[in-house]
Amino acid sequence: IQLTQSPSSLSASVGDRVTITCRASQGISSYLAWYQQKPGKAPKLLIHAASTLRSGVPSRFSGSGSGTDFTLTISSLQPEDFATYYCQQLSSYPTFTFGPGTKLHIK
Amino acid sequence: EVQLVESGGGLVQPGGSLRLSCAASGFTFSSYEMNWVRQAPGKGLEWVSYISDSGYTIYYADSVKGRFTISRDNAKNSLYLQMNSLRAEDTAVYYCARQYCIITSCSEGGMDVWGQGTTVTVSS
Repeated sequence: IQLTQSPSSLSASVGDRVTITCRASQGISSYLAWYQQKPGKAPKLLIHAASTLRSGVPSRFSGSGSGTDFTLTISSLQPEDFATYYCQQLSSYPTFTFGPGTKLHIK
Repeated sequence: EVQLVESGGGLVQPGGSLRLSCAASGFTFSSYEMNWVRQAPGKGLEWVSYISDSGYTIYYADSVKGRFTISRDNAKNSLYLQMNSLRAEDTAVYYCARQYCIITSCSEGGMDVWGQGTTVTVSS
């Protein structure tokens, strides 16, 4: 199962609403997770099961979708949100695939 | 504090071997499935290998199958990755990551705890 993400890079300003898309090459139900990674740091799990927010993750993050098309939305960007975001499919558990990533830049 | 700490990375020549370790603390290691995930310089995340909580079920990415071996010692709260026949394309930061499963399904989970990573460089 292959994952694509769009855009690959995105420039936005603090306070903006941004949406990142992840598309699977075949249907994966809701078996998708989203991660945030900052430079030099390990990834952090944000959302699992496509739309379930991990405990402690700010509510400005949300996820939606099922089947092949998924989105991660940040409702109002904060300075600490500038990072790279990855989707991961778990439909083929216990083997996994990550998307190529979306780098979110400050405009 | 729940923590994973990797070690064992370094510089190795092509064709060489290296053994990575991941020390777990702050949780019942023997109850969790574990993974190795790597990230080549400037690139994205690549899942490498999975091991069940008991150690009996193991999977590998095609890119490392036949060359890497994952194992665990639940008595020592440790996860390992034995890497043989290393290639330049294996150069990466290697992370160990805990598999998070909800009650009904691991497919609805993710990798919820990650180590800080250990760097493997394969070069002559």
